[in-house]
Amino acid sequence: QKEVEQDPGPLSVPEGAIVSLNCTYSNSAFQYFMWYRQYSRKGPELLMYTYSSGNKEDGRFTAQVDKSSKYISLFIRDSQPSDSATYLCAMRPGAQKLVFGQGTRLTINP
Amino acid sequence: GAVVSQHPSWVICKSGTSVKIECRSLDFQATTMFWYRQFPKQSLMLMATSNEGSKATYEQGVEKDKFLINHASLTLSTLTVTSAHPEDSSFYICSAMNRDSPSGEQYFGPGTRLTVT
Repeated sequence: QKEVEQDPGPLSVPEGAIVSLNCTYSNSAFQYFMWYRQYSRKGPELLMYTYSSGNKEDGRFTAQVDKSSKYISLFIRDSQPSDSATYLCAMRPGAQKLVFGQGTRLTINP
Repeated sequence: GAVVSQHPSWVICKSGTSVKIECRSLDFQATTMFWYRQFPKQSLMLMATSNEGSKATYEQGVEKDKFLINHASLTLSTLTVTSAHPEDSSFYICSAMNRDSPSGEQYFGPGTRLTVT
């Protein structure tokens, strides 16, 4: 069993829809949770960063962490075609290496 | 802020030659940098962790004599693929951890596409 599980998709939604992306994990020591966006043939871009449980909002993006369920989510409101990319969840216990999910390929259709 | 650059962005080399890839943190100091490899439609695979002024720590299965890492300063790490072979063709990405950030976010470079012919 992988430490971090993420549905690879692909996920295709119409423009303007709310997108929900999720990851589950097994290591209860994870404390730092991140979401990265990666366009084709580019490096990952840090979108959201959360420490421990709770919600964090930044514009159209909301990240949620539920440590009791070992479950994290990224919501994208009013999705745009420019949001089409691969979204990677990542997490780590402390000052250690990141553990990545497989990535979810998202397409927003105009 | 938090910009990481990589050079070159792509490179084609002949089998048996060596290739050096540079990773620079442009607006912050990074005591720790990471090197990843990514195959098409797959997630990032950590190759090694590079700490300034010390030897890199390699992940299991990564040949340290083949993938030479040097972290000479707080803003520069290099990866040299020695005696490259076609199976080394991949997308190589570095990331840097901001030394001054208490939460230690990692910022990624744009990646280097290596093709070995």
